[in-house]
Amino acid sequence: GAVVSQHPSRVICKSGTSVKIECRSLDFQATTMFWYRQFPKQSLMLMATSNEGSKATYEQGVEKDKFLINHASLTLSTLTVTSAHPEDSSFYICSAPQQAGGTIYFGEGSWLTVV
Amino acid sequence: GENVEQHPSTLSVQEGDSAVIKCTYSDSASNYFPWYKQELGKGPQLIIDIRSNVGEKKDQRIAVTLNKTAKHFSLHITETQPEDSAVYFCAPGRGGGNKLTFGTGTQLKVEL
Repeated sequence: GAVVSQHPSRVICKSGTSVKIECRSLDFQATTMFWYRQFPKQSLMLMATSNEGSKATYEQGVEKDKFLINHASLTLSTLTVTSAHPEDSSFYICSAPQQAGGTIYFGEGSWLTVV
Repeated sequence: GENVEQHPSTLSVQEGDSAVIKCTYSDSASNYFPWYKQELGKGPQLIIDIRSNVGEKKDQRIAVTLNKTAKHFSLHITETQPEDSAVYFCAPGRGGGNKLTFGTGTQLKVEL
């Protein structure tokens, strides 16, 4: 079946540095992918919609200059957390619809810890 | 924006019993109604979904029922097993159904 994969699954970075998280659709093409953030014991909050070949659209309150999204191919979207701070520590999850209006699959998530 | 709530927030059942989780939403344009299971430290896993032209869908021990008029849909798990213990999220979507709004989550615990 359709699979969405994220890498890395866990990452620790120092405050002020940048970290990149990759989201891949393994056996289907995705013109749109979604990035979520989840804090412990909370729900998933949509951060942005990643659009292949065009700019990402960000949800209200999400800083586009801090969370850079690049959707360079039909199977890969990347989220770069720039100038990371401890409060950016969270579980980041991506998703992709197998086809427009179709079933949406989620990646395994990436734990980010900023120290 | 869409307001999505789940009830109950926690649910404890005995193994073999049934569990029901209800999701209420506010956006009448929602037309896609999935349920996800999330185990600790993992991404959400789709367990069942339904679209607005269907009132009920069943897959073995899991079923989803939809009441569009009242704007709620429910997850039903029968013959619960310990491995059903997890957090369950509803996530209604609109348009192509690609953009989901997650509910508040329900922690299900199945006790032996």
